Amino acid sequence: NAGVTQTPKFQVLKTGQSMTLQCAQDMNHEYMSWYRQDPGMGLRLIHYSVGAGITDQGEVPNGYNVSRSTTEDFPLRLLSAAPSQTSVYFCASSLLGTGNGYTFGSGTRLTVV
Amino acid sequence: EDKVVQSPLSLVVHEGDTVTLNCSYEVTNFRSLLWYKQEKKAPTFLFMLTSSGIEKKSGRLSSILDKKELFSILNITATQTGDSAVYLCAVVSDKIIFGKGTRLHILP
Repeated sequence: NAGVTQTPKFQVLKTGQSMTLQCAQDMNHEYMSWYRQDPGMGLRLIHYSVGAGITDQGEVPNGYNVSRSTTEDFPLRLLSAAPSQTSVYFCASSLLGTGNGYTFGSGTRLTVV
Repeated sequence: EDKVVQSPLSLVVHEGDTVTLNCSYEVTNFRSLLWYKQEKKAPTFLFMLTSSGIEKKSGRLSSILDKKELFSILNITATQTGDSAVYLCAVVSDKIIFGKGTRLHILP
């Protein structure tokens, strides 16, 4: 049982490049989400999904796209990377409802130069 | 707009002290409140609270929720240096949002 798997763990991008952060879970969780974490800012919600085919914006969605074509996968796309997107990104998932078992991936440290 | 506010943002105490961390919230369609501990990696789960007035306890850590006054507290008694971490509070509604966290540093 792998839980929540995020790849890559580290990435360096040049300004203007695009990339996709991958997130997969094998727990049949309906709810999946992406956060970014910057010093002193806690975890800020970027996008979330309550099931396949359904996505919604969180607190800081600009510059990021998501899709949810399957229950298992929830990729995060940076269309044109900017230095302001340098951050640590976490994916998390849970069953719908109370957030019981809300599980995090190990994180992706992204640097945009 | 949903909001989760943690206080204090930073706290330094000596080993053996007792600390109380606060989390207040304003959300629509509240379902639960979650507490996490974060050291250098991903957050690790501590407690999930859904009902007012029922204390959850795990060793030296305990937490309680007040749904009328819209807040929760996390208590840590007899603190140890291994308790040094960022403590995060999250509220579950139709989405899950976090506060900025409390950075706790325990001096030996």
